[in-house]
Amino acid sequence: GENVEQHPSTLSVQEGDSAVIKCTYSDSASNYFPWYKQELGKGPQLIIDIRSNVGEKKDQRIAVTLNKTAKHFSLHITETQPEDSAVYFCAASRYRRNTGKLIFGQGTTLQVKP
Amino acid sequence: NAGVTQTPKFQVLKTGQSMTLQCAQDMNHNSMYWYRQDPGMGLRLIYYSASEGTTDKGEVPNGYNVSRLNKREFSLRLESAAPSQTSVYFCASSESHGNTIYFGEGSWLTVV
Repeated sequence: GENVEQHPSTLSVQEGDSAVIKCTYSDSASNYFPWYKQELGKGPQLIIDIRSNVGEKKDQRIAVTLNKTAKHFSLHITETQPEDSAVYFCAASRYRRNTGKLIFGQGTTLQVKP
Repeated sequence: NAGVTQTPKFQVLKTGQSMTLQCAQDMNHNSMYWYRQDPGMGLRLIYYSASEGTTDKGEVPNGYNVSRLNKREFSLRLESAAPSQTSVYFCASSESHGNTIYFGEGSWLTVV
């Protein structure tokens, strides 16, 4: 079945450094790839997403890249700050087919040390 | 504008008991979802409702039932709770099927 693998499971960086989280997906028909941030005790919140007709998307310190051939996509956070500490989830779905079945990765716990 | 609101936030059940998790959204969204979150497994879709009047199974529907009461409300029912259903449950909604999904704050359920 459809599967999304996310690495690493934990990531610790110094404030100001960059952080990269990678995901691979199995369903070649997937064409929508959102990233969610989950703070302790709260629900996941969308931080950025990308569709398969775009290779890269940037929003201030956050960027996402997509390689459809290799079936992987990555989240890049530059100039990390302590408030970036959270659990990050990638996900994939067949957006056009409207299944609503976002398949999530296992999550990455990011710790930014001041 | 509260977004997605779910109740209760915490619940402890005994094996075999039943309970219903309530969810309501005030964003006039058509689609609603129930996910469960377990350590190391990410979020898994239990059931979803693409529009009022329809419901469909997700990845892990066994042991659960849902009701789309109206456009605003989508409830999740555990008929006979089992320890394997100990989890954090998230309700979510989107404007239409496949659009950006917005999550509630979560309901922590423990079955003993």
